[in-house]
Amino acid sequence: GAVVSQHPSWVICKSGTSVKIECRSLDFQATTMFWYRQFPKQSLMLMATSNEGSKATYEQGVEKDKFLINHASLTLSTLTVTSAHPEDSSFYICSAGQTSGSGGEQFFGPGTRLTVL
Amino acid sequence: QKEVEQDPGPLSVPEGAIVSLNCTYSNSAFQYFMWYRQYSRKGPELLMYTYSSGNKEDGRFTAQVDKSSKYISLFIRDSQPSDSATYLCAMTSGGYQKVTFGTGTKLQVIP
Repeated sequence: GAVVSQHPSWVICKSGTSVKIECRSLDFQATTMFWYRQFPKQSLMLMATSNEGSKATYEQGVEKDKFLINHASLTLSTLTVTSAHPEDSSFYICSAGQTSGSGGEQFFGPGTRLTVL
Repeated sequence: QKEVEQDPGPLSVPEGAIVSLNCTYSNSAFQYFMWYRQYSRKGPELLMYTYSSGNKEDGRFTAQVDKSSKYISLFIRDSQPSDSATYLCAMTSGGYQKVTFGTGTKLQVIP
């Protein structure tokens, strides 16, 4: 099956610093990548949809200047949490859709746990 | 009303039992339906993927979609302790459209 990796798997940072999370599709090309946030015991909340070579589309309520998304190639998307604060502590998960095939099938990365002190 | 409703559980069953997990939805545009399994502190893993109404079987897992009732199910036969996880239903209208997730049902299979 399709494999998506994320790096780092967990990160602890001080309040006010920026953190970059990478999402890679390892064995397929992903035209579209998605970034989700998941708080404890809650479902995934879509933050933004990222299309290769164009600007990301953010969901309502998600600050685009705080959560910078770059999808520079068909295998790599990055999420940068700028000036992170404790309330940004969460589990961030990316997913990727294959360029071939149809439907909304998405393959998820293992997630990145961010803790902001 | 949420677009997708899923009983959060937890659901506890003895090993070997048949498990039935369900979701209802309100958006008639949804055509693609998925079930994901998520272990604690891990990303979701795609289990089943179906298009439109009907059944799909893969090993011990069977997914059913009834679009007329806006109701989808996942059945797990001969449940194992390793099946203990949170199961998320998900659906989309297609292409690379937004995927809407249920809240997840936590399943515990007791040896």
